[in-house]
Amino acid sequence: EVQLVESGGGLVQPGGSLRLSCSASGFTFSSFTMHWVRQAPGKGLDLVSGINNNGNSIFYSDSVKGRFTISRDNSKNTVYLQMSSLGAEDTAVYYCVKVSAWYDNWGQGTLVTVSP
Amino acid sequence: EIVMTQSPATLSVSPGDRATLSCRASQSVGSKLAWYQQTPGQAPRLLIYGASTRATGIPARFSGSGSGTEFTLTISSMQSEDFAVYYCHQYNDWPRTFGQGTKVEIK
Repeated sequence: EVQLVESGGGLVQPGGSLRLSCSASGFTFSSFTMHWVRQAPGKGLDLVSGINNNGNSIFYSDSVKGRFTISRDNSKNTVYLQMSSLGAEDTAVYYCVKVSAWYDNWGQGTLVTVSP
Repeated sequence: EIVMTQSPATLSVSPGDRATLSCRASQSVGSKLAWYQQTPGQAPRLLIYGASTRATGIPARFSGSGSGTEFTLTISSMQSEDFAVYYCHQYNDWPRTFGQGTKVEIK
């Protein structure tokens, strides 16, 4: 069974930083692209960042480019999202997603709240 | 960026009735269209990919159709657990984009 478990969310002040982690199991992690998708409170879904299976192809949405860094450690079956210069607009639940072109498995999400 | 537009925003349906949800893309995405279901407090769940292929474990009452720019998700007979928000998602082009969602509520 595929499992994706996010961690690292929490309350952070504007301008602060946070690192999210997503631990994967139940599939060959090193064979799959992984994405981070976020959902602001009461809003829809937005792709934040993605990384291919070996880490040499990376995507960032315009809204986070230059502030967020995605990475992965295939030896630990984990994908990371380093977030800096956080603002209120980054407040959201962040989901880790296994990608088979479509998004076939989602983690339960981790809430990031940016507030003074 | 491909804009995905879902309609209606809210759909009121009685249990047992058919629900028809629409998704329109601002440019062709071929058949690279997926549908997800999200219930309150839960992560989205994949229902349909390739515009019409049901994901593993998804009941046959869910069906998808369309190609190019016009897509439909049909729930043939609404069950209590189907009242949720549904999102379409194109994975043909970067950035991957989602519709704004259709909330299916009990009539």
